[in-house]
Amino acid sequence: GDSVTQMEGPVTLSEEAFLTINCTYTATGYPSLFWYVQYPGEGLQLLLKATKADDKGSNKGFEATYRKETTSFHLEKGSVQVSDSAVYFCALTTNAGGTSYGKLTFGQGTILTVHP
Amino acid sequence: GAVVSQHPSRVICKSGTSVKIECRSLDFQATTMFWYRQFPKQSLMLMATSNEGSKATYEQGVEKDKFLINHASLTLSTLTVTSAHPEDSSFYICSATGTATDTQYFGPGTRLTVL
Repeated sequence: GDSVTQMEGPVTLSEEAFLTINCTYTATGYPSLFWYVQYPGEGLQLLLKATKADDKGSNKGFEATYRKETTSFHLEKGSVQVSDSAVYFCALTTNAGGTSYGKLTFGQGTILTVHP
Repeated sequence: GAVVSQHPSRVICKSGTSVKIECRSLDFQATTMFWYRQFPKQSLMLMATSNEGSKATYEQGVEKDKFLINHASLTLSTLTVTSAHPEDSSFYICSATGTATDTQYFGPGTRLTVL
């Protein structure tokens, strides 16, 4: 079955540090890949996505590139801020076709804490 | 972007009572809605998938008679936790997706506490 593996956290960084959160996946077919962010006490927000190999998703300074050869979708940001402190989830979905879309498979989440 | 709301955001109830949580897609038609449960510091666990006008499909281990899901329209799905017990206390999150997209948009979640 499909699975997503994220680097274990928590990750603690100083403001303006470089961030990488690793994500690798196994999937049948051709998955779409996502990063979601969850701020304390809130639901998930879509951060970025990529739907095919070599696509790069980007948003709010975050980037991730869909690497089919390494089955990876690592999240990066060049300079983190305190406001980036949150839980980050890598996820994939395989399209079931028609109007019934595939289920999201989530990684376990990585807690990021950024200190001033 | 697409907006999904949930109501209530927090609810406290007594053991044995039933609680209904609403999930609405505000600016798009949600052909499919998903209900998740999240335990503290853990990932999301998919409970069920519902398509408008159809019966929900429950994941293995989820009691369909306890967690009643109704997806009566293209903008509204409800989750009713029947005869709630303290172990049902959790953070419940819904998501929705429409036609021509594989992106799920999530609601802000509902914190349920059963006393």
